[in-house]
Amino acid sequence: AQSVTQLGSHVSVSEGALVLLRCNYSSSVPPYLFWYVQYPNQGLQLLLKYTSAATLVKGINGFEAEFKKSETSFHLTKPSAHMSDAAEYFCAVSSISSSYDKVIFGPGTSLSVIP
Amino acid sequence: GAVVSQHPSRVICKSGTSVKIECRSLDFQATTMFWYRQFPKQSLMLMATSNEGSKATYEQGVEKDKFLINHASLTLSTLTVTSAHPEDSSFYICSARGGEGGPPYNEQFFGPGTRLTVL
Repeated sequence: AQSVTQLGSHVSVSEGALVLLRCNYSSSVPPYLFWYVQYPNQGLQLLLKYTSAATLVKGINGFEAEFKKSETSFHLTKPSAHMSDAAEYFCAVSSISSSYDKVIFGPGTSLSVIP
Repeated sequence: GAVVSQHPSRVICKSGTSVKIECRSLDFQATTMFWYRQFPKQSLMLMATSNEGSKATYEQGVEKDKFLINHASLTLSTLTVTSAHPEDSSFYICSARGGEGGPPYNEQFFGPGTRLTVL
């Protein structure tokens, strides 16, 4: 079974400050890990994904995440927050054991950016 | 990139009626499609997984007779909410994954979602 936890349902940062959104996963098989962003009343947009290659993954809009197996973590960071980063962020886990495996989402973290 | 569309984007219906939501993969063949439900301020909850030409696999607690899923072609899946009630009001999101040779099969591409309101 797989699961995802996201520490902090709401994170608030100042514009220009570091963004750090935490994600920890549980998986009995090697995982694929994803970060998605969702703007109000819209679908999901993939920010980045880890698929067993490089542990430091760079995504769109200046975001990156590092896979740490020893900590079972996949935290999302961005050096400098922009007002347009305010949105809901979901960490998700899948499995590489089957091409039909489902993606399990974490509860989400709402990011606010203060001008 | 791969594009998934949903229709309609928003629907309002009376209690007791049935509503059909379409999910289409526009530029790739989706061997697997997923349907999620998202309540306000909550995460996405997987409802069912459908493989083209097969019966859908429903998650525990999801009524298969109420949420009918059809995946008759490699580019179209439909979700029909039968005899909808106000508690079925939610944001429904589909996703699609290609097979070998298509988009990376370990990645799902999400539709924009359908807002269902049952009066």
